[in-house]
Amino acid sequence: GAGVSQSPSNKVTEKGKDVELRCDPISGHTALYWYRQRLGQGLEFLIYFQGNSAPDKSGLPSDRFSAERTGESVSTLTIQRTQQEDSAVYLCASSFGTGKGNTQYFGPGTRLTVL
Amino acid sequence: RKEVEQDPGPFNVPEGATVAFNCTYSNSASQSFFWYRQDCRKEPKLLMSVYSSGNEDGRFTAQLNRASQYISLLIRDSKLSDSATYLCVVNRNYGQNFVFGPGTRLSVLP
Repeated sequence: GAGVSQSPSNKVTEKGKDVELRCDPISGHTALYWYRQRLGQGLEFLIYFQGNSAPDKSGLPSDRFSAERTGESVSTLTIQRTQQEDSAVYLCASSFGTGKGNTQYFGPGTRLTVL
Repeated sequence: RKEVEQDPGPFNVPEGATVAFNCTYSNSASQSFFWYRQDCRKEPKLLMSVYSSGNEDGRFTAQLNRASQYISLLIRDSKLSDSATYLCVVNRNYGQNFVFGPGTRLSVLP
């Protein structure tokens, strides 16, 4: 079956512009996660959705970052007034549930470059 | 202290070598444990789950010690294609649920 997909695969933008990154999780997966990974660094948790609700937004680095999920499916991560330090790969993952025995599956990521 | 810690690496080993990675976690309420691998400029992919009794998948063996809050991954007969970063992942039933370690980089040399 189809895996997690993300779009665009690459995004180059100018400092100060807004960007929207999209994630399509695996069908039927109720949980969806956003991470950021800077070059040569580990995964940085941003936000997690259970259904359309976000129980944990603790990783969002500033109020310029927001995310939503609709229809218990697609999610959009929006970064307003982008800064050069926002340059990174943004990874989305989904899982069937969140409890014991569940596994995360990742999309290929969106590589964001802020000039 | 980070919730999940790993050997910093990098590990540079010759083909055919056996290599072991260690991971420790601080949250005793952790429920499930995994090893992921991440190739350069690619997304993480599940390598194997880690079961209480320990489990093996071909050349890969994972062990869990709940008392010591310690997970290990053993790779036997290393191949060039094993070169990657290995991520230890712990699942808990609250918050972000899946907590990733910083990863250990492995380079298998010809």
